[in-house]
Amino acid sequence: EIVLTQSPGTLSLSPGGRATLSCRASQTVPSTDLAWYQQKPGQAPRLLIHSASIRATGIPDRFSGIGSRTDFTLTISRLEPEDFAVYYCQQYCCSPRTFGQGTKIEIQ
Amino acid sequence: QVRLQQSGPGLVKPSQTLSLTCAISGDSVSSSGVTWNWIRQSPSRGLEWLGRTYYRSKLYTDYAESVKGRVTINPDTSKNQISLQMDSVTPEDTAMYFCARDDYSRGYSAGFDVWGQGTMVTVSS
Repeated sequence: EIVLTQSPGTLSLSPGGRATLSCRASQTVPSTDLAWYQQKPGQAPRLLIHSASIRATGIPDRFSGIGSRTDFTLTISRLEPEDFAVYYCQQYCCSPRTFGQGTKIEIQ
Repeated sequence: QVRLQQSGPGLVKPSQTLSLTCAISGDSVSSSGVTWNWIRQSPSRGLEWLGRTYYRSKLYTDYAESVKGRVTINPDTSKNQISLQMDSVTPEDTAMYFCARDDYSRGYSAGFDVWGQGTMVTVSS
């Protein structure tokens, strides 16, 4: 099973700030098979990025992803109030599909 | 627009069977360009993929090893829905359960792009 480790656990930032989230895999994940999700309290996760760097439909361009092999990054260039949430990475190359434990972005 | 509507009981007794359904609108359970997945989320286990079902000229189903033998995922083409059945539940199965679509229409997975609203299931006597 591929283990995804996200860091940091919590990011305390202000609106307008820049968020950089890391996702490290225990073994190589093809860049085509890595996604990022946003989850707000009481809601299902929402797909932001697939294939490591491709924004899902309707996702604003302040969200960007990059990475390869075992190291992937999600960047939010200018935090909007609605971006304060928990973010998860997921690999879907291999079974079982696995998720990271999440990074919470909170308002500083 | 694709929507997934979940239904099922929120309380299940230990050793009994958990049963949930996920009704699909705007897509077909038998579409060859998607897979249909069940995922659960709990504070102790985080997001945990349970399994999926999909059609590629025939029906395929696969499960996470952690629940294999205890979980059954079935498509119902007459109702355009999928179901999750989990046998012999324990309090550790208490979680929010989600169904989700994995879009393969481009020929490769583009992530879980549509999710159900979630069903909180508590296992307790």
